[in-house]
Amino acid sequence: AQSVTQLGSHVSVSEGALVLLRCNYSSSVPPYLFWYVQYPNQGLQLLLKYTTGATLVKGINGFEAEFKKSETSFHLTKPSAHMSDAAEYFCAVSDNSGGYQKVTFGTGTKLQVIP
Amino acid sequence: GAGVSQSPSNKVTEKGKDVELRCDPISGHTALYWYRQSLGQGLEFLIYFQGNSAPDKSGLPSDRFSAERTGGSVSTLTIQRTQQEDSAVYLCASSPEWRGARETQYFGPGTRLLVL
Repeated sequence: AQSVTQLGSHVSVSEGALVLLRCNYSSSVPPYLFWYVQYPNQGLQLLLKYTTGATLVKGINGFEAEFKKSETSFHLTKPSAHMSDAAEYFCAVSDNSGGYQKVTFGTGTKLQVIP
Repeated sequence: GAGVSQSPSNKVTEKGKDVELRCDPISGHTALYWYRQSLGQGLEFLIYFQGNSAPDKSGLPSDRFSAERTGGSVSTLTIQRTQQEDSAVYLCASSPEWRGARETQYFGPGTRLLVL
């Protein structure tokens, strides 16, 4: 069984400050890890994903995440927050244990950017 | 190209009525998923379709919920005898799934269902 824990349902940062959104996962097999972003009244779109290879993954809009197997973490960061980053962010873990791509999502973190 | 589309975008219904929600996946995507997103909750998996295989219905919350996918493309999620707790955003996603668990899911904008 797999699970995802996102610490902090709401995070507020000042414009220009570091963004850090935390994600820890549990998986019985090597995981594939994703971050999706959801803007108001829209569906989710992929920010970045880790499959294999380099553990530091770069995504769109200046975001990156680092896969740390020893810590079972996949935290999302951005050096400098922009007002347009205000959205809800979902961490997800995926495997083929059910015979297909079964994706488990975290409960989401709403990011507020304060001018 | 065109993304995943869902209709209607908003639906208001009375308790006890049936509703149908539609999803048009990206052309060529064999995998299709339905999720439910309730206020303050994450995404709850409902059902999965892959090509012409039998769907995985393990996430459907009750027998009032059903879904079908015709011709391996368009999918309809039906909720019978709606209850107020069914109020949520229903999201559809599709993926090519030829690379298995590493595939990206492409989401539609969702249908916002309000049961009065």
